[in-house]
Amino acid sequence: AQSVTQPDIHITVSEGASLELRCNYSYGATPYLFWYVQSPGQGLQLLLKYFSGDTLVQGIKGFEAEFKRSQSSFNLRKPSVHWSDAAEYFCAVSPRRNDYKLSFGAGTTVTVRA
Amino acid sequence: GAGVSQSPSNKVTEKGKDVELRCDPISGHTALYWYRQSLGQGLEFLIYFQGNSAPDKSGLPSDRFSAERTGGSVSTLTIQRTQQEDSAVYLCASSQGGDPANEQFFGPGTRLTVL
Repeated sequence: AQSVTQPDIHITVSEGASLELRCNYSYGATPYLFWYVQSPGQGLQLLLKYFSGDTLVQGIKGFEAEFKRSQSSFNLRKPSVHWSDAAEYFCAVSPRRNDYKLSFGAGTTVTVRA
Repeated sequence: GAGVSQSPSNKVTEKGKDVELRCDPISGHTALYWYRQSLGQGLEFLIYFQGNSAPDKSGLPSDRFSAERTGGSVSTLTIQRTQQEDSAVYLCASSQGGDPANEQFFGPGTRLTVL
């Protein structure tokens, strides 16, 4: 079955440390890939997306993600975490162009300690 | 301009009652989506509206769920005879079109609790 997996349910990181969130997908072709962030009491906000081209994509709030076809992965990274980055992060996949149905991973909750 | 808004923000109801959840999309957005977010799970697609086309209802979990979109704008998700397993956060999103290249903008959600 096609799926999106975020292996880490919860990650705790110190402020100023680096952060990496993992995302793996199982789709036959290269899908469209997204990372969203959900802060408490707020809706999801798009951080970045990958459709084609350069496999390292830059997003908002200092985040970046790298698409690795061989590993079917789209991991999210930030070099230096701020306390405001504490939130829940979702990886999402659209299997093909014109497919509006996004499939979401279960999410990773990030806690930032001082 | 204003983002996607949803009402109510919280709804507590008794098992067996009907509930209506409202979504006001961003003005001019032709595509509207409903998702359900259950505890510890990712978002689950429920239904999709695009302009005047017939909606894609393939994600609705049962015939107790229905949705409509009036005048290509406001949408209402109705759950009849609510069950405890319907407890979740219901999220609405809108975009300029159905192509995934068009960013989906999400509302803050309605938290539904069925007692």
